[in-house]
Formats: sequence, structure tokens, C-alpha cells
Amino acid sequence: GENVEQHPSTLSVQEGDSAVIKCTYSDSASNYFPWYKQELGKRPQLIIDIRSNVGEKKDQRIAVTLNKTAKHFSLHITETQPEDSAVYFCAAGGSGNTPLVFGKGTRLSVIA
Amino acid sequence: DAGVTQSPTHLIKTRGQQVTLRCSPKSGHDTVSWYQQALGQGPQFIFQYYEEEERQRGNFPDRFSGHQFPNYSSELNVNALLLGDSALYLCASSLMRVKGKTEAFFGQGTRLTVV
Repeated sequence: GENVEQHPSTLSVQEGDSAVIKCTYSDSASNYFPWYKQELGKRPQLIIDIRSNVGEKKDQRIAVTLNKTAKHFSLHITETQPEDSAVYFCAAGGSGNTPLVFGKGTRLSVIA
Repeated sequence: DAGVTQSPTHLIKTRGQQVTLRCSPKSGHDTVSWYQQALGQGPQFIFQYYEEEERQRGNFPDRFSGHQFPNYSSELNVNALLLGDSALYLCASSLMRVKGKTEAFFGQGTRLTVV
């Protein structure tokens, strides 16, 4: 089955700097890669996703890149703000409703 | 437009007891997936229901069972609770009918504590 590895487990950046979180996956059949943000005590919220027919996707300060050959994808947050502090999860899934497999999460701290 | 709702939000049970958690999917969604999130970990897939049938199952024992109703809502049942079952249980809804549309939206979760 699918296995998703996520790095780093913790990340601290200064406000205004960029943050990058990386994930690798094992199943070449996976074609959907969402990222979730989870604040303390709250539900995971979908912040951006990418499908395997696209190499990069941007939404304001957030971007995701996908390298299908290497089986890795990354989340990039630019101009970080204190409210970006949270745990971020990557996930990988197949077509239809193949269940998502999640990474173990990255705790991002943005220091003002 | 109602999002994914779960009940109860918190629950304390004793070892050996049974528990039922409930989930109502986002309006228009037809598929419900259940995840277990232990403290400091990512969500782990338990099972998925579509058209009132279990379609996919993760690596969880038979003590974990579920059900989906005609209105797409779902229940997660856990029998013979163990201390290790303490976790946040998340329900995620999605739409199976539309090909390629796999966005999953999570409920706020049920925090289960087994003592």
C-alpha cells in the first residue's frame, strides 16, 4: 500500500521568511496530493491540493509542487505570518475515492 | 451549506465498553471515511462507506465497525475499548459520483478518552 513520509517534523521560521515542507510517496498509482492545516484542537482544513497532471499550483502565499518521477511533492509558504503556525499534513491518494494516506505532520512555528 | 458535523465532541469511556460515534457529511457528499488521529500523529484511515457499504478498510481490528444510512450519515462503532483507542476520531466526507473529484472535508472530530 501507499506510504507517505513527511519532513521536517518541526520547523521554525521568522515572520516574513519562507517555509518548505517536503513529502515523498511510494505508490506510483497515487494521483491526488492534498495539504491540510490543523490548528490546535481543530479539524484538518484543506489548504491546497494538486493532481498528477499538474506540476505546480499556487494560491496567494501558498504553492505546491509535484515531481512524479521522484515521487515527491512540497508545500511552499512565502511571507509567513504568525497565523500560519499550525501542524501541516500532506496526503496522497488514488483515483476515485481511494483513501488518503497521511504523513505524520510538520509543526510550523512562525516567530514574530 | 452545512459542513461535516460529528457528535459527540468529547467522550470518556471505560475499558471494555462500547462506543458509537456519528457523522453527517457535507451537503451533497455521498462518501464518508473515518480516521483515527493519535496525539502528535497524522490521521490513520479506518474505513470508508459509500452506498451504505464498506468499500475500503485500513489496518484496524474487527472491533471497529461502521454503518452508513440512506441519508449518507454514518456511525463508527468500537467494541471492547482499549486504552490505546484513546484518540481524535475524524470523519471526512467526499463525493464518489463525480469522477476525479476527491477533495475530502473533515468534521471537527470526536475526542475519545478511554480510562
